[in-house]
Amino acid sequence: DAGVTQSPTHLIKTRGQQVTLRCSPKSGHDTVSWYQQALGQGPQFIFQYYEEEERQRGNFPDRFSGHQFPNYSSELNVNALLLGDSALYLCASSSVAEAFFGQGTRLTVV
Amino acid sequence: QKEVEQDPGPLSVPEGAIVSLNCTYSNSAFQYFMWYRQYSRKGPELLMYTYSSGNKEDGRFTAQVDKSSKYISLFIRDSQPSDSATYLCATAGEGNNRLAFGKGNQVVVIP
Repeated sequence: DAGVTQSPTHLIKTRGQQVTLRCSPKSGHDTVSWYQQALGQGPQFIFQYYEEEERQRGNFPDRFSGHQFPNYSSELNVNALLLGDSALYLCASSSVAEAFFGQGTRLTVV
Repeated sequence: QKEVEQDPGPLSVPEGAIVSLNCTYSNSAFQYFMWYRQYSRKGPELLMYTYSSGNKEDGRFTAQVDKSSKYISLFIRDSQPSDSATYLCATAGEGNNRLAFGKGNQVVVIP
């Protein structure tokens, strides 16, 4: 079992650009959640996908959007990047509440 | 009021000591309680998972949940240098809900 995999591991983007991050969930998990973790902070919930629909959303602007595919993999898209979007973006897959995280994508906006 | 409060102050202990970490939470609807370990620049790793109140032990790790006081704890016995990491507490409500995290505690175990 490969666990939760995310790509890419690192990314540098320019302010105003758009970015797409990808996640493959742990085998047998149908729910994918995305979190943003700023340096020195705990992860903050962005949104959760189940059955290809956004089921819950945290306090993030509409610049953050996502998608879930029929194989349960997911993408996180961020438009009009701001310097403050620089963070570690984490994907978690779960069944019930036990969530397993990927290694994250470190996004730097310059 | 934040949903989960965790004093983020760094903690340094000598090897072999007991590490004690704790969090408080505000939402009485939370039923699931987790501790994650996060090494530098890595994703969080699930360490302990507890449903409702009580204690759970796994090797050198013990998790405690006291729902009456909304207090969750993690104890690490016989701490090792490899335990040096950031420890995050997290809670969730019934169903497959979002996790609410504390800020994390950086723990350093000194050989």
